[in-house]
Amino acid sequence: GNSVTQMEGPVTLSEEAFLTINCTYTATGYPSLFWYVQYPGEGLQLLLKATKADDKGSNKGFEATYRKETTSFHLEKGSVQVSDSAVYFCALSSSGGSYIPTFGRGTSLIVHP
Amino acid sequence: EAQVTQNPRYLITVTGKKLTVTCSQNMNHEYMSWYRQDPGLGLRQIYYSMNVEVTDKGDVPEGYKVSRKEKRNFPLILESPSPNQTSLYFCASSPLHLANTEAFFGQGTRLTVV
Repeated sequence: GNSVTQMEGPVTLSEEAFLTINCTYTATGYPSLFWYVQYPGEGLQLLLKATKADDKGSNKGFEATYRKETTSFHLEKGSVQVSDSAVYFCALSSSGGSYIPTFGRGTSLIVHP
Repeated sequence: EAQVTQNPRYLITVTGKKLTVTCSQNMNHEYMSWYRQDPGLGLRQIYYSMNVEVTDKGDVPEGYKVSRKEKRNFPLILESPSPNQTSLYFCASSPLHLANTEAFFGQGTRLTVV
């Protein structure tokens, strides 16, 4: 079956630091990959996505590249801000899984001024 | 506006008093799901539904019931709530006939059982 593994948190950074949150997956079929963000007191919302190998998703300064050879979709941002403090979820859906979304456990990011 | 609506947003109740958390989506999505989120445990799936009258257990179904009588609604029922069901609950929906499409989440329901 499908599964997503993300690095444990919390990740604590100073403002303007470089961010990487690791995500690896196993999937049947041809997965689409997603990153969701949950700001304090809110529900999850889509941050970015990539639908085929070597695609790069990007939004709000965040990027992630779909790496089929390493089954990874790591989230990166060059310079984080305090407002980026949130929980980040990696997820996938695939034809082999009837397009049912599968989520990682989430990684909490705390950015200090 | 495409959205998933959960109600209530906050609820405090007593042990054993039946409650229902409603979830409604306006996007004609086949798939709907309930999750609970607890510190250190991430997002855990309670129940899901792939279409009307089709429901199945997720990872933590004990103590919960669901129904899917209409495509847009997927209520979560706690027939006899206990303090260990104190949690943040999310409803989500997504289309199963469209590849590459993300899931949509409600704003969450914070439940406290005393």
